[in-house]
Amino acid sequence: DQQVKQNSPSLSVQEGRISILNCDYTNSMFDYFLWYKKYPAEGPTFLISISSIKDKNEDGRFTVFLNKSAKHLSLHIVPSQPGDSAVYFCAARDSGGSNYKLTFGKGTLLTVNP
Amino acid sequence: DTGVSQDPRHKITKRGQNVTFRCDPISEHNRLYWYRQTLGQGPEFLTYFQNEAQLEKSRLLSDRFSAERPKGSFSTLEIQRTEQGDSAMYLCASSNSGTGRLGYEQYFGPGTRLTVT
Repeated sequence: DQQVKQNSPSLSVQEGRISILNCDYTNSMFDYFLWYKKYPAEGPTFLISISSIKDKNEDGRFTVFLNKSAKHLSLHIVPSQPGDSAVYFCAARDSGGSNYKLTFGKGTLLTVNP
Repeated sequence: DTGVSQDPRHKITKRGQNVTFRCDPISEHNRLYWYRQTLGQGPEFLTYFQNEAQLEKSRLLSDRFSAERPKGSFSTLEIQRTEQGDSAMYLCASSNSGTGRLGYEQYFGPGTRLTVT
């Protein structure tokens, strides 16, 4: 069963516009969420994270929003740049199980067009 | 900070052969993780070390897989009697649970792509 779901396999946006990547989860024990970016032939790169006690975390052009009641989080990138084109993974930590294992979604391919 | 490194980057082997991969974590990081990623999927957890102790193993880690982290520094992942289903990207990550740090953010290496023919 897929506990972390990224239902959009791909997203295409114009340079300068907002990119919104979505993630849903089913496990109520998840208490920490992370976004990673992955370029081809490279490992995932940590972008931004959020604790379940918060509903928003911002770092430069990247903002993550968490809606615990809906079990939904989103990553906003404003403004989008061509260099942001990559696969974005949502990941979550389970406070009830292993303290340190991350569970990942399948990823969303973001393409930012010049 | 040189980041997480993995060696080799690519490995092609014949079915039935043994392979070993190496991971060097970020030097001050005490936690080390192995994940496996197949096409169209996100990374899947395999195993986790805190210093030299292997504290958790996924059910994905069959008895053909073994991982070690001697002296709490680098780690090796060995796959014995490889099968075509083992073809995947093997990712290593590390994190730091030092003073004031949660250590939940994991930093990944570039991965080792294994192809079993």
